[in-house]
Amino acid sequence: DAKTTQPTSMDCAEGRAANLPCNHSTISGNEYVYWYRQIHSQGPQYIIHGLKNNETNEMASLIITEDRKSSTLILPHATLRDTAVYYCIVRLYNQGGKLIFGQGTELSVKP
Amino acid sequence: DAGVIQSPRHEVTEMGQEVTLRCKPISGHDYLFWYRQTMMRGLELLIYFNNNVPIDDSGMPEDRFSAKMPNASFSTLKIQPSEPRDSAVYFCASSLRGTGYGTQYFGPGTRLLVL
Repeated sequence: DAKTTQPTSMDCAEGRAANLPCNHSTISGNEYVYWYRQIHSQGPQYIIHGLKNNETNEMASLIITEDRKSSTLILPHATLRDTAVYYCIVRLYNQGGKLIFGQGTELSVKP
Repeated sequence: DAGVIQSPRHEVTEMGQEVTLRCKPISGHDYLFWYRQTMMRGLELLIYFNNNVPIDDSGMPEDRFSAKMPNASFSTLKIQPSEPRDSAVYFCASSLRGTGYGTQYFGPGTRLLVL
C-alpha cells in the first residue's frame, strides 16, 4: 500500500469548511483513497473513498488531484461533532485484509 | 440496521485470568476483522475471517491470543492468560465483498484493562 502523509493537527471554526489534505505521491493506478475518522472513545467510521473522480456523499466530499498524488477531504460545514482524528488510507479496492491506519490528522472544530 | 455489536464494552481483570471478547458483525457481511488500539502502536489488525474461515492471523501477538468464528453472526477473541500489556481497546469490524474490503464498519470497541 502506498504511504500517506497528513498534517498532525488542524483547527477549524464551527460552520466553516474543513479541508483536510493528504499526500500519497507513490499511489499506483489501481489504488483507491479511503477516508475514515475516529471520534474520541468510538470505533473508526468510514467516510468516503474514490479512485480518480471527485466524490461526494452525505458526510463529505473527496477531491483527488489529476495526477492522483494528493487528495483533500472536505467537510462543508464543520460542527463540534466533527472533532476527531481523520485517517487517509490508500489501498486496492478488493484487497482483502487490513486497513493500515497512520497517525491521521486531529481536527479540532472550535465554536 | 444494527451496526457491529461488541461485548462487553468494558472489562477489568487481573493478570492471569482468561478474557473473552465477543462480536456480532453486520448481518450479511462476509468479512470480520479484529483490531487492537493502543497509544503506543495505534490501530493494528490482529486477525480476519472470510466466510467464517481465518484468513490471516499474522497480527496475533502470541499463542495467548486465539479467535474463533463458529458462524456468520458471532466471533470471539480470547486471551488466556491475560497480561497487563494486553490492556487496550479491541475493535471488531465487518465488511461486504460487494462494497470493497476497504469499507469496513467498526463496533464501539471493548476497553480491556488487565491489572
